[in-house]
Amino acid sequence: AQKVTQAQTEISVVEKEDVTLDCVYETRDTTYYLFWYKQPPSGELVFLIRRNSFDEQNEISGRYSWNFQKSTSSFNFTITASQVVDSAVYFCALSEAGEYGNKLVFGAGTILRVKS
Amino acid sequence: NAGVMQNPRHLVRRRGQEARLRCSPMKGHSHVYWYRQLPEEGLKFMVYLQKENIIDESGMPKERFSAEFPKEGPSILRIQQVVRGDSAAYFCASSPPGQGSYTFGSGTRLTVV
Repeated sequence: AQKVTQAQTEISVVEKEDVTLDCVYETRDTTYYLFWYKQPPSGELVFLIRRNSFDEQNEISGRYSWNFQKSTSSFNFTITASQVVDSAVYFCALSEAGEYGNKLVFGAGTILRVKS
Repeated sequence: NAGVMQNPRHLVRRRGQEARLRCSPMKGHSHVYWYRQLPEEGLKFMVYLQKENIIDESGMPKERFSAEFPKEGPSILRIQQVVRGDSAAYFCASSPPGQGSYTFGSGTRLTVV
């Protein structure tokens, strides 16, 4: 069965600090996708990244970077020089190409509070 | 190219009433997924539908909840005889077949009073 664990319930940082959000996943499938979503206070879900299981290259997009390590089943997310606008709940998610299609399994989320 | 449209954005129902939540997928997307987010919690999968078929309803409560995705029109998530515990945000996502790519709607926030 698939499972996503975000052990950090809440993180508080001061603006301009770097912050890493942890994500550990479990799956028996060899083909899967990993995602990160942001949920700001307004409530919508904002897609940040999708990574397939065959691509372990780290990715950087502006102040955001992702570290995917299959050996430890982790897909961590780092925000560099955090800003107040980064305050949100961040969800890591996993989907498998199984018998019933590609439903997403979400972690419990990490609340990030960035203080000025 | 409109995204996934969910309506209403906010819905208030009294205990015992019915709630109908609508989701129009993106153009070209034939797969629809419904998720529920209870207050202070993550999103939980409810049901996965393709046109006129329920593919996986393993996350649906056994009673009072049903979903459909007819040949024409939006997908509907229906909750009969709502109770306070049904208060949550309900998100719909759509995807093209088999690509592991999802687009989420803005959600419907259901409040049962």
